[in-house]
Amino acid sequence: EVQLVESGGGLVQPGGSLRLSCAATGFTVSNSYMTWVRQAPGKGLEWVSVIFGGGTTYYADSVKGRFTLSRDKSNNTLYLQMNSLRADDTAFYYCARDRGGTYHAGHFDKWGQGTLVTVSS
Amino acid sequence: DIQVTQSPSSLSASLGDRVTITCRASQVISTSLAWYQQRPGKAPKLLLHTTSTLASGVPSRFSGSGSGTDFTLTISSLQPEDFATYYCQQYYTIPPYTFGQGTKLEI
Repeated sequence: EVQLVESGGGLVQPGGSLRLSCAATGFTVSNSYMTWVRQAPGKGLEWVSVIFGGGTTYYADSVKGRFTLSRDKSNNTLYLQMNSLRADDTAFYYCARDRGGTYHAGHFDKWGQGTLVTVSS
Repeated sequence: DIQVTQSPSSLSASLGDRVTITCRASQVISTSLAWYQQRPGKAPKLLLHTTSTLASGVPSRFSGSGSGTDFTLTISSLQPEDFATYYCQQYYTIPPYTFGQGTKLEI
């Protein structure tokens, strides 16, 4: 069964850093299209970053230069390194798998449960 | 970037009603549109992709239509578990993937 489990959220001060993890079971992260989507409390969905099967990454303008998406083949985990955090980064962060798996479909059929990041002093 | 605009932002309906939610893209996106359902405190769930293809396990009371810039999600007969927030998402030109602002369906 495909499952995604996020961890690493928490309270961090403005300007601080945090690394989110998304542990996957049931498929291989290292050659899959994977994405992060966030949702500020009470707000809508906002795409954050994607990694293609070949390793190319893209970022939303709002996080470009501050966030880095990577993956670890050995533990089948996706990571989101978040630096220079701001109050408007406060949100639930979801990792999700592209329905295409190893090819690009562009929509997301498997989601984790989300992890809350709160940026506040 | 392609913008997607949903309407209405909220909708009140009753069990058994037929409801329609609309999504409009700022430019032509062919049929590259997906719909998600999100219940409170839960992750989004894929309902339809490629405008009208039901995702695995989704009941047939959900349907989608449209092409180009205008799309609709229809629920033919509302069930209790359908009261949730619905989002459309375009994937014709990425990045970025863009979501609509959501439609909250209430009893």
